[in-house]
Amino acid sequence: EVQLVESGGGLVQPGRSLRLSCTASGFTFGDYAMSWFRQAPGKGLEWVGFIRSKAYGGTTEYAASVKGRFTISRDDSKSIAYLQMNSLKTEDTAVYYCTRDASLRGAVAETPYYFDYWGQGTLVTVSS
Amino acid sequence: QSALTQPPSASGSPGQSVTISCTGTSSDVGGYNYVSWYQQHPGKAPKLMIYEVSKRPSGVPDRFSGSKSGNTASLTVSGLQAEDEADYYCSSYAGSNNFPYVVFGGGTKLTVL
Repeated sequence: EVQLVESGGGLVQPGRSLRLSCTASGFTFGDYAMSWFRQAPGKGLEWVGFIRSKAYGGTTEYAASVKGRFTISRDDSKSIAYLQMNSLKTEDTAVYYCTRDASLRGAVAETPYYFDYWGQGTLVTVSS
Repeated sequence: QSALTQPPSASGSPGQSVTISCTGTSSDVGGYNYVSWYQQHPGKAPKLMIYEVSKRPSGVPDRFSGSKSGNTASLTVSGLQAEDEADYYCSSYAGSNNFPYVVFGGGTKLTVL
């Protein structure tokens, strides 16, 4: 059974940092791209960014709203994806979800096109 | 402003059918057969219900079906049940030129009367 479990959320002051973890089980973690989403209270889903599998270089891409502040990484030996969030703003307050990605794979690119498993989410509150 | 347009709400009585629309452009919905739908109950994580326009993951009831015509995709829930009351989000692949490669609708709140 595929499981994704996020951890690391909590209350943090503006300008500070926080690292979220997504621990995966039930599948070969290293074979998949992984994404992070967030959902602000009462709002829709925002794709924060993703990391490709090592077969495609483990490269990352990000939404404009977090580029330069957030970093996604992965440890395939531990089946964990991370979301490092720096210079947090009040507008980053949201529930953060990690997902396993179904991807289109070409000769050089791995591009997610839907998200087949989601974690339960972890709440990040940015407030003074 | 979401890239895909969904009605904010939809409703139906138990046993009835309801259809939720998702309108995009020729650059996303109309250009690829890669529309997916997610169900989200309050306080819970989204769950994949439909992928590649009309395919159902294992375990999703066949009461849920998807279709597409031109730039508009649709999710139909037949034989409505109380547990179908939830928010539904559509998404579509939008090409591999620039992130985000998948765009989403703003969500539709389905109420079972």
